[in-house]
Amino acid sequence: VQVLESGGGLVQPGGSLRLSCAASGFTFSDYAMTWVRQAPGRGLEWVSSISGGGGVSYSADSVKDRFTISRDSSNNTLYLQMNSLRAEDTAVYYCAKGRMGSWLTENWGQGTLVTVSS
Amino acid sequence: EIVMTQSPATLSVSPGERVTLSCRASQSVSSRLAWFQQKPGQAPRLLIYGASTRATDIPARFSGSGSGTEFSLTISSLQSEDFAVYYCQQYSNWPLTFGGGTKVEIK
Repeated sequence: VQVLESGGGLVQPGGSLRLSCAASGFTFSDYAMTWVRQAPGRGLEWVSSISGGGGVSYSADSVKDRFTISRDSSNNTLYLQMNSLRAEDTAVYYCAKGRMGSWLTENWGQGTLVTVSS
Repeated sequence: EIVMTQSPATLSVSPGERVTLSCRASQSVSSRLAWFQQKPGQAPRLLIYGASTRATDIPARFSGSGSGTEFSLTISSLQSEDFAVYYCQQYSNWPLTFGGGTKVEIK
């Protein structure tokens, strides 16, 4: 099982960025996927989750209406489209695979750093 | 939103000691409680789920207990590789929420 994030970088406030998470070693459409972030020196914050089939998703109030989670089973990839970025969105963003039949995050990637700054 | 409160914030212990970390939920999460370990510069690793079930390849010195609102993680004999930050997380209700973490440091 492997999940590998990409797409992080430096972006100006108000800008947009799309994160990707490439999954391998499991049947992607069978598992929920989740994004969790960690601001520098801070704790873990759940961002968004999506069901295996993609029909159900949830997002934290702090990112609702700005961030959109999606998935493409044809290429085993999870996405996080981030718009209207703010300084407080600066964090390492982790992608995590769920455990079968659960929203529990079982396998985590190494993360990708997003820095929002002018 | 369910608030998860961990205590203490920092624990200074010597290798070989037994340590117990606490996690309290602001309302019942049944047994939908997980523990994660995070070392500097690394991603979190799942240790315990369902409050008391060890994840794959997790050593037996790690054990979890509790249900409802009170939970604990015990490390029976602390090894050098166990010095890290530990987070609890509830996955019973949306939004999913984490505790603030307990840092286990060398005494």
